[in-house]
Amino acid sequence: KNQVEQSPQSLIILEGKNCTLQCNYTVSPFSNLRWYKQDTGRGPVSLTIMTFSENTKSNGRYTATLDADTKQSSLHITASQLSDSASYICVVSGSGGGADGLTFGKGTHLIIQP
Amino acid sequence: NAGVTQTPKFRILKIGQSMTLQCAQDMNHNYMYWYRQDPGMGLKLIYYSVGAGITDKGEVPNGYNVSRSTTEDFPLRLELAAPSQTSVYFCASSDRTAASYGYTFGSGTRLTVV
Repeated sequence: KNQVEQSPQSLIILEGKNCTLQCNYTVSPFSNLRWYKQDTGRGPVSLTIMTFSENTKSNGRYTATLDADTKQSSLHITASQLSDSASYICVVSGSGGGADGLTFGKGTHLIIQP
Repeated sequence: NAGVTQTPKFRILKIGQSMTLQCAQDMNHNYMYWYRQDPGMGLKLIYYSVGAGITDKGEVPNGYNVSRSTTEDFPLRLELAAPSQTSVYFCASSDRTAASYGYTFGSGTRLTVV
C-alpha cells in the first residue's frame, strides 16, 4: 500500500532558528514529490517539486532534498520567520497513488515563536 | 487573477440537511478535484473531473455527488448531511493531471454537521 509518513507531527522553534522536516514514502513507481505549505484557514500552496533525478532544490529559505534510493525527502527551513508558521505537507505522485495519482502525507505542524 | 474560488467559507448544517459547496476556477483548467481534510489526516480525494461532462469517484465518494456542466464550475453536493461529513473541503484545479503539474487550491469550506 502506498504511504507517505511525515515527521515530526508538530514542531515548535524560535524565530531565526533552522529546522528540518522529514518525509518517507513507499509510493512505487515514483514520479515526483512536492512540498506544500498550508497556512491556517487556507488551501495548500506548492513550495517545490522534485523528480527522480533531482537531489536538491531551493525556493528562497526553503531547501528540499530527495533520496530516491532510500525514498526519503526533507524540507529545510533556514532562518525561520513568524510567517513560516503553517502545516507542511509532503505529496508523492506515482501511478500507484489514488485516482489522482497522489498520496498525501498528514503534514507537519510548524509553530515559530518570537 | 482569482484562481480557485470556494463558497461558502463556513457552514453549519443539521443532520439530514442538504447543501452544495461551490467551486469556480478562471484558469481554463480541465482537471478539477474535491478533497476533504480531517484533523490530523492527509487530504482524501472525493471526486474529480477531467473535463466538462466527465466526473469520476475518488477514494471517499459516499454521501457526495458532483456535476461538471462547464469548465469553470465544479459543485459538490451533500444530500443527507451526517456528522461524519464534518470536515474542511478543498477544491483544486490543474492544467493537466495533478500528478505531473500540481494543483491550485481554493481556500476551503469548513463544514460542521450537528
